[in-house]
Amino acid sequence: NAGVTQTPKFQVLKTGQSMTLQCAQDMNHNSMYWYRQDPGMGLRLIYYSASEGTTDKGEVPNGYNVSRLNKREFSLRLESAAPSQTSVYFCASGGQVIAKNIQYFGAGTRLSVL
Amino acid sequence: AQSVTQPDIHITVSEGASLELRCNYSYGATPYLFWYVQSPGQGLQLLLKYFSGDTLVQGIKGFEAEFKRSQSSFNLRKPSVHWSDAAEYFCAVGAQGYNKLIFGAGTRLAVHP
Repeated sequence: NAGVTQTPKFQVLKTGQSMTLQCAQDMNHNSMYWYRQDPGMGLRLIYYSASEGTTDKGEVPNGYNVSRLNKREFSLRLESAAPSQTSVYFCASGGQVIAKNIQYFGAGTRLSVL
Repeated sequence: AQSVTQPDIHITVSEGASLELRCNYSYGATPYLFWYVQSPGQGLQLLLKYFSGDTLVQGIKGFEAEFKRSQSSFNLRKPSVHWSDAAEYFCAVGAQGYNKLIFGAGTRLAVHP
């Protein structure tokens, strides 16, 4: 069982470059999420998708865009990377709302913006 | 607004000692509560969850947590810590009919031999 797969695992960007973080899940979950993790701040929600075809902003959406490509895939795009976006990014997926919010996480993408 | 507070940023215990990690939440209705663990360089793994019913819940790896509504707390406990328990622990709160989680800042646990 692959669960939630994120690519790449590591990335170094220069300020102003763009990139897309990929996420795929094989658990047939409706909901998918992107978080960033910074020291002392826990996980903060960037964007989420409650179902295929819908996306919504989370707590810290500025500087990011997302695409729910299909039920399995949810990508996060940085159009013009900034040093403040240096972080560890986690993708997660979860079942129906009535499945009580259990989320399953990928292994993360460690991004450095120079 | 929902929020989660983990008062302890770092905790160090000796191997074999007992452990309690604190979590306080703010939410008006009955919350759904979770503890996740993150080993170094890894993603988050669900340790246990509380939805309703028995306020003492058992999880994986010998962990348990107790929901205390009067104190708005959901503290994580383990009677005897193993060196492999060294990790970061996150408490999270969710809401009925709402598919987002709010995470605390985390508690980093170190275990001395």
